[in-house]
Amino acid sequence: GAVVSQHPSRVICKSGTSVKIECRSLDFQATTMFWYRQFPKQSLMLMATSNEGSKATYEQGVEKDKFLINHASLTLSTLTVTSAHPEDSSFYICSATSGDYTGELFFGEGSRLTVL
Amino acid sequence: AQSVTQLGSHVSVSEGALVLLRCNYSSSVPPYLFWYVQYPNQGLQLLLKYTSAATLVKGINGFEAEFKKSETSFHLTKPSAHMSDAAEYFCAVSVQAGTALIFGKGTTLSVSS
Repeated sequence: GAVVSQHPSRVICKSGTSVKIECRSLDFQATTMFWYRQFPKQSLMLMATSNEGSKATYEQGVEKDKFLINHASLTLSTLTVTSAHPEDSSFYICSATSGDYTGELFFGEGSRLTVL
Repeated sequence: AQSVTQLGSHVSVSEGALVLLRCNYSSSVPPYLFWYVQYPNQGLQLLLKYTSAATLVKGINGFEAEFKKSETSFHLTKPSAHMSDAAEYFCAVSVQAGTALIFGKGTTLSVSS
């Protein structure tokens, strides 16, 4: 199956700093990538949808200036958490689709962000 | 808008017993339905998917699910639970290929020996 790689898997940062998380599709071209956030013991909440070469579409309630998403190529999307605060601590998961008819999304391994 | 409801946030079974995880969906158009499994601090792994072909879908690790339009359900089953099945299970729906999946709240499956 298609592989999506996410890096870093864990990151700890100080409050006020910015953190970048990368999401790569390793063996297919991802026409669309999605970023989800997962709080402990909870479901995945869609943050934004990004298409290569265009601005991301954010879900209601997600601050686009805090969570910067860039989808510069068909294999790479990045999520930058700017001026991170402890409440931004969470598990962030990216996913990608190749646009095939099944609608299946391929998920990265997730990134655990801890803001001190 | 589409949505998914997973009945039962926690299901406990004995090893060798039947596993039944319930999922009901709401969609105004024919849906794509998925079951994913998540182990602690990991991403999601696809168990199976329904994409308007056969209503009984077989997935990995002995899991299967049946799409029942009349009941708007897509319940996940496995005849005999293994200890390694203990994990978090998510049902998800989308209405168009290439769009985001909407997830249910998840069901934690515990398996006791």
